[in-house]
Amino acid sequence: ETGVTQTPRHLVMGMTNKKSLKCEQHLGHNAMYWYKQSAKKPLELMFVYSLEERVENNSVPSRFSPECPNSSHLFLHLHTLQPEDSALYLCASGHRDRGFTEAFFGQGTRLTVV
Amino acid sequence: ELKVEQNPLFLSMQEGKNYTIYCNYSTTSDRLYWYRQDPGKSLESLFVLLSNGAVKQEGRLMASLDTKARLSTLHITAAVHDLSATYFCAVDMSNFGNEKLTFGTGTRLTIIP
Repeated sequence: ETGVTQTPRHLVMGMTNKKSLKCEQHLGHNAMYWYKQSAKKPLELMFVYSLEERVENNSVPSRFSPECPNSSHLFLHLHTLQPEDSALYLCASGHRDRGFTEAFFGQGTRLTVV
Repeated sequence: ELKVEQNPLFLSMQEGKNYTIYCNYSTTSDRLYWYRQDPGKSLESLFVLLSNGAVKQEGRLMASLDTKARLSTLHITAAVHDLSATYFCAVDMSNFGNEKLTFGTGTRLTIIP
């Protein structure tokens, strides 16, 4: 069982829909991340939460809205997405105070916007 | 802006051969990670390199870090089919106040029987 669990694994949504991606980590980490992986592109960091505060927002469009209610849970709320937003969305967690930031990844949500 | 470049981007090699994947990065860091990704799957952590000259080995894979050259290598020895995957390096800037990892473009490795 992976220490970082993402749901759903697959999601198809229309451009007018609202949906949410969920991530849960069972590793006792205090930092969580959202990454986007598109075909033929490097992983793009979207958001970083450290100790439940957002510390980084990498110029992500406002149609993506993260939420981190506690150190174990992370959400990505989606609304009015575009087809180019179709990608694999990966959640990761790490421990901020150990001097390095090795990230452990979830299985990802494969999102298709139609 | 930190840039992380891997080469080659695609590598097709025969079983039993040796090869090296290179990861160059553009700014000072002494922390680097290697990940493996199988098609449709998530990223699996392979190696954590935390100092200049660090070398880690696991099975047929060996990773090293030269912080002065800003270069890490992932060496594959006597490749087997199970090693077919995409390999990513990621540079850690957390000791410079930056919380994130910056990933390379990945190297898609295909091992041919």
